[in-house]
Amino acid sequence: DTEVTQTPKHLVMGMTNKKSLKCEQHMGHRAMYWYKQKAKKPPELMFVYSYEKLSINESVPSRFSPECPNSSLLNLHLHALQPEDSALYLCASSQDLGTGNPGELFFGEGSRLTVL
Amino acid sequence: RKEVEQDPGPFNVPEGATVAFNCTYSNSASQSFFWYRQDCRKEPKLLMSVYSSGNEDGRFTAQLNRASQYISLLIRDSKLSDSATYLCVGFKAAGNKLTFGGGTRVLVKP
Repeated sequence: DTEVTQTPKHLVMGMTNKKSLKCEQHMGHRAMYWYKQKAKKPPELMFVYSYEKLSINESVPSRFSPECPNSSLLNLHLHALQPEDSALYLCASSQDLGTGNPGELFFGEGSRLTVL
Repeated sequence: RKEVEQDPGPFNVPEGATVAFNCTYSNSASQSFFWYRQDCRKEPKLLMSVYSSGNEDGRFTAQLNRASQYISLLIRDSKLSDSATYLCVGFKAAGNKLTFGGGTRVLVKP
């Protein structure tokens, strides 16, 4: 079982809806990530938080809004999405940026989003 | 050219056989590398880290060739459960950035 928990597992929303994806980890990791993955493609980095501060934003449209309320939680707020935003959204955490094993990411099972 | 590139496959492998595939990287890409495994409709999971010339873990061997700029993964005595997509990941300390390759799909058949 993964130690990174994501909710909901599935989400269907209309283009005018506002929804949020949630991610939680209790491994004491200080870096948390949002990735987007389309079918048969690798994960694409969206955001990285380090010590609850936004460290990397990969030019993601503003209809995606990340939030890191504390060191264990990471949210992704969704508003006015497009059908092409339908994908698997993966949350991940790592011990820290640049220390320990920097490539060891622990992924959640993902939230599968469908935008109608 | 992509920073990290992989043959998408699929590699069709008879059960018990050995399979190997490579991942190439561009010169400016990465300092350390990782192999992740992703099962269909599941999350990626770390398989191996490759820091120096290589690493071995049971039936899996990873090698790093910096001169030719590639990383390889070899699976011996393939099991049906080895069927998955194998993602090569490069880490660049400048910018603390992980770059995923496109993945190589492996299908082990009886």
